[in-house]
Amino acid sequence: EAQVTQNPRYLITVTGKKLTVTCSQNMNHEYMSWYRQDPGLGLRQIYYSMNVEVTDKGDVPEGYKVSRKEKRNFPLILESPSPNQTSLYFCASSILGDRTSYEQYFGPGTRLTVT
Amino acid sequence: DQQVKQNSPSLSVQEGRISILNCDYTNSMFDYFLWYKKYPAEGPTFLISISSIKDKNEDGRFTVFLNKSAKHLSLHIVPSQPGDSAVYFCAAKGSARQLTFGSGTQLTVLP
Repeated sequence: EAQVTQNPRYLITVTGKKLTVTCSQNMNHEYMSWYRQDPGLGLRQIYYSMNVEVTDKGDVPEGYKVSRKEKRNFPLILESPSPNQTSLYFCASSILGDRTSYEQYFGPGTRLTVT
Repeated sequence: DQQVKQNSPSLSVQEGRISILNCDYTNSMFDYFLWYKKYPAEGPTFLISISSIKDKNEDGRFTVFLNKSAKHLSLHIVPSQPGDSAVYFCAAKGSARQLTFGSGTQLTVLP
């Protein structure tokens, strides 16, 4: 089954404790992205990657890091989480070469709470 | 400054009637628009899209209309069903395949 998986689905942590949220897709997609969803603000892009070893900032990259060492994986790293990073996080992927469709496939989300 | 706006946080419609969800954008460089549906505890799923060179795209009960001069798009669902109850996000594509999302509209279809 074609899918995007994220782990963990739920995470409660304390300020300053480094954490990583994993994202993996099995569709051989070149493009991957991380979003955060906050009430009244919709989904905002954090980082994206056009291919292995190619990453770039989205609209709200502060406090986050990413890496793309393999095509299927795109982990999101919070080196020193703060309470304002409490949010619902989504990973997404899409085909890069298709210029007729820009659909992104989303994972199920990770609910992060930083106390 | 939100470049994609959904001004109605919620909408209630009777089953069988038409649901109309609206979305406005400010960036004239957006060239592709998408609608996503999201159920609780799930990720958004793609619903329908439209290129900026078209003004209408239809897929079954779902139709998206684009008015470029007004920088406005709408999603029509006819007939509405209780299973359509979800949060609907519109999104616009800019450079580097980046999608800019609206804040979402909660649709409730009443049986």
